[in-house]
Amino acid sequence: DTEVTQTPKHLVMGMTNKKSLKCEQHMGHRAMYWYKQKAKKPPELMFVYSYEKLSINESVPSRFSPECPNSSLLNLHLHALQPEDSALYLCASSSLTTGTGYGYTFGSGTRLTVV
Amino acid sequence: GEDVEQSLFLSVREGDSSVINCTYTDSSSTYLYWYKQEPGAGLQLLTYIFSNMDMKQDQRLTVLLNKKDKHLSLRIADTQTGDSAIYFCASERGNTDKLIFGTGTRLQVFP
Repeated sequence: DTEVTQTPKHLVMGMTNKKSLKCEQHMGHRAMYWYKQKAKKPPELMFVYSYEKLSINESVPSRFSPECPNSSLLNLHLHALQPEDSALYLCASSSLTTGTGYGYTFGSGTRLTVV
Repeated sequence: GEDVEQSLFLSVREGDSSVINCTYTDSSSTYLYWYKQEPGAGLQLLTYIFSNMDMKQDQRLTVLLNKKDKHLSLRIADTQTGDSAIYFCASERGNTDKLIFGTGTRLQVFP
């Protein structure tokens, strides 16, 4: 299995809702990432988990809460979002082996609309 | 901070070569990548180059790296309509978990 699977593919939520995005990989990768991509913009890093521990938080608002229950799963819990949070949320994983250059495997994303 | 810039748009005729350019500011970048993104889809890794190389060829793709000028390019030979997409270069600093993306170049291939 060489894929990163994200669910759901599309999500519409109200500003008072609580929802979660899910990401799964079975490649044995030890690092997992959340990126946010607005329309016609490059992906922006949100969080990095390395060996199931949060290693980077790019000053993301607390209404986004990541969780890494195990080495294969990554969640992003959403609460009290704003319409400007509407975007494509991409999950990625990497082997974390320094110097491999194998890059990061990305999922196809969850397109989130906040109404 | 790190900055990665690309031209916004490129239009080429089918069968011609496409050259997409990228400049970056972080001289400690160890790996540089090219990703392709089709409409509504995630990112597909096309190729990468290590910072101590100046060229890498992979089938129709040729990557050139000028480390002195911090300039990276992706050449696609015999461009096809299926190559129409947005192309992102990205830089990775060694010993970090951060991948910084360029602004993206939209490639349009016409018959």
